Amino acid sequence: GDSVTQMEGPVTLSEEAFLTINCTYTATGYPSLFWYVQYPGEGLQLLLKATKADDKGSNKGFEATYRKETTSFHLEKGSVQVSDSAVYFCALRYTGTASKLTFGTGTRLQVTL
Amino acid sequence: DVKVTQSSRYLVKRTGEKVFLECVQDMDHENMFWYRQDPGLGLRLIYFSYDVKMKEKGDIPEGYSVSREKKERFSLILESASTNQTSMYLCASSLRGWGNYGYTFGSGTRLTVV
Repeated sequence: GDSVTQMEGPVTLSEEAFLTINCTYTATGYPSLFWYVQYPGEGLQLLLKATKADDKGSNKGFEATYRKETTSFHLEKGSVQVSDSAVYFCALRYTGTASKLTFGTGTRLQVTL
Repeated sequence: DVKVTQSSRYLVKRTGEKVFLECVQDMDHENMFWYRQDPGLGLRLIYFSYDVKMKEKGDIPEGYSVSREKKERFSLILESASTNQTSMYLCASSLRGWGNYGYTFGSGTRLTVV
């Protein structure tokens, strides 16, 4: 079945460091791909998305490119802030009336001063 | 902005109690979902609904049921709560159709069963 694999956390970085969180997927078709972020004590928020190969999603300084050849959707940010500390989830979703998101297990990011 | 509101942030219930978790969305979304979130396991889909009175089992439906009598409201029911149902429960909604729509999540309900 379809699945999403994320790198194990936690990831600990100093402020202004470069961030990469790896995400790869297994899918039988061509899903849309998403990154969600969950700040402490809150629900998930959509961070960015890409709907087809080579699309780049971006938001709040974060970017991810849909790579069909490597089945990847890695999340990057050039300079992280303490306020980026959160859990990040990669997910995929197909088209269709009852399509549903399949999530990875999440990667916790801790940014220190 | 779409809002998804879960009725309680924290709940403590006793083993064997019937528990209702309520979720309301205000943007006329067709699809609604219930997930539970546990450390190391990520989010697991319990049930979802793509229309009023329609429901589909997710990956872990055992011990749960749902109700969707109105489009904006999706209730999760624990018929007889057990300690292994202690978890964070997240409700979400989305537009129907093309998969490029993401979900909008509520803030979650942290349920403790004692």
